[in-house]
Amino acid sequence: AQSVTQLGSHVSVSEGALVLLRCNYSSSVPPYLFWYVQYPNQGLQLLLKYTSAATLVKGINGFEAEFKKSETSFHLTKPSAHMSDAAEYFCAVTKRDNQGGKLIFGQGTELSVKP
Amino acid sequence: ETGVTQSPTHLIKTRGQQVTLRCSSQSGHNTVSWYQQALGQGPQFIFQYYREEENGRGNFPPRFSGLQFPNYSSELNVNALELDDSALYLCASSLGQNEKLFFGSGTQLSVL
Repeated sequence: AQSVTQLGSHVSVSEGALVLLRCNYSSSVPPYLFWYVQYPNQGLQLLLKYTSAATLVKGINGFEAEFKKSETSFHLTKPSAHMSDAAEYFCAVTKRDNQGGKLIFGQGTELSVKP
Repeated sequence: ETGVTQSPTHLIKTRGQQVTLRCSSQSGHNTVSWYQQALGQGPQFIFQYYREEENGRGNFPPRFSGLQFPNYSSELNVNALELDDSALYLCASSLGQNEKLFFGSGTQLSVL
């Protein structure tokens, strides 16, 4: 069975500081991995996805994530936080031979950005 | 704006009632997926429809059912509502089964 674990339900950073949101996955087969962002009262928006090409994946809004098979991790980073980055972030996994709609999400990490 | 619209945005029902939630897919998208997001949790996959056929189901009881219409819009029906059904219900459409998901803003269902 597949699963994802997001370490830290709340992360707070200062504006301009590094953002690091942690995600570890469990999968018996090579997975596809995703990061989504959810702003208040909105649906989810795809930030980036890993589908077995480059292990360092660049996404929208300056975010990137690195797939590390040895650590079963897919942490999300951004060098410099903006106030507009405050939102809920979800890591998700699906099987490579599975349909893209059948995602398994983590519990989410709420990011706060202090001025 | 993703082009995926859900209605209604908010709904209050009582235990035992039935509810229908609606989703209008982005133009040209033939696949729709439904997710349940309980407060403080990540979304959970309910089911997916591809070209009007159910194409996979998560761990939800049969009282959760769905439909996809020829224009690829979709409905989620929940019978015999329980208090634990209170959640944000998200619809996502895509160009195909393995393609990028575009999420709507969701329907917030409260069961009293």
